[in-house]
Amino acid sequence: QVHLVQSGAGVKQPGASVKISCQASGDTLTSYYVHWVRQAPGQGLEYIGIMNPRNGDRSFAQKFQGRVTATRDASTSSVYMELSSLTSEDTAVYYCMRETPASCYFDYWGQGSLVTVSS
Amino acid sequence: QSALTQPASVSGSPGQSITISCAGTSSDVGDSKYVSWYQHHPGKAPQLMIYDVDSRPSGVSNRFSGSKSGNTASLTISGLQAEDEADYFCCSRTTSALYVFGTGTKVTVL
Repeated sequence: QVHLVQSGAGVKQPGASVKISCQASGDTLTSYYVHWVRQAPGQGLEYIGIMNPRNGDRSFAQKFQGRVTATRDASTSSVYMELSSLTSEDTAVYYCMRETPASCYFDYWGQGSLVTVSS
Repeated sequence: QSALTQPASVSGSPGQSITISCAGTSSDVGDSKYVSWYQHHPGKAPQLMIYDVDSRPSGVSNRFSGSKSGNTASLTISGLQAEDEADYFCCSRTTSALYVFGTGTKVTVL
């Protein structure tokens, strides 16, 4: 059974950065695309971007460009998403998801990471 | 990219059928065969229910079905059961090769 395990949640100060990790248990992420979305309180899901852990290619929604980065650690088969210059509007639950390349759907999701931006 | 529009809530009695709409544009739903639907019980990881507009993953009940007409996709749950009470959201690949999600629908079983 595959599980995507996330870590990196917490309370952050305005202006700070948050780095969330996503790791697969029961499988490796190397053969899949990893996507990120977030859900602010009372809101729908907002798409952030995608990373190919195999070659490091990444693409982000225009709204987040310049403020988000995605990296990978092959030794742990982990993918990281870092969002900088946080404001209260970044308070949300952040999810990572797995896509089998070219399937265009997400078969496994992480449990979510709550990031609260507050002074 | 604006979120796809879903009704905030839909309700039905056990055994009834309900349909959740997902309205987009010609830049996403209308131009994509990659529409998917997810069920989300709060506190748990979302679960894939429908992909490629109308395909069902193995293990998902055939009470769940998907369709699309023009810029609007739909998820129908037939024979509504108590366990179907959850949040549902749609997702579409866009012409820019990224994704956009729906606003989400809370399904209540009366």
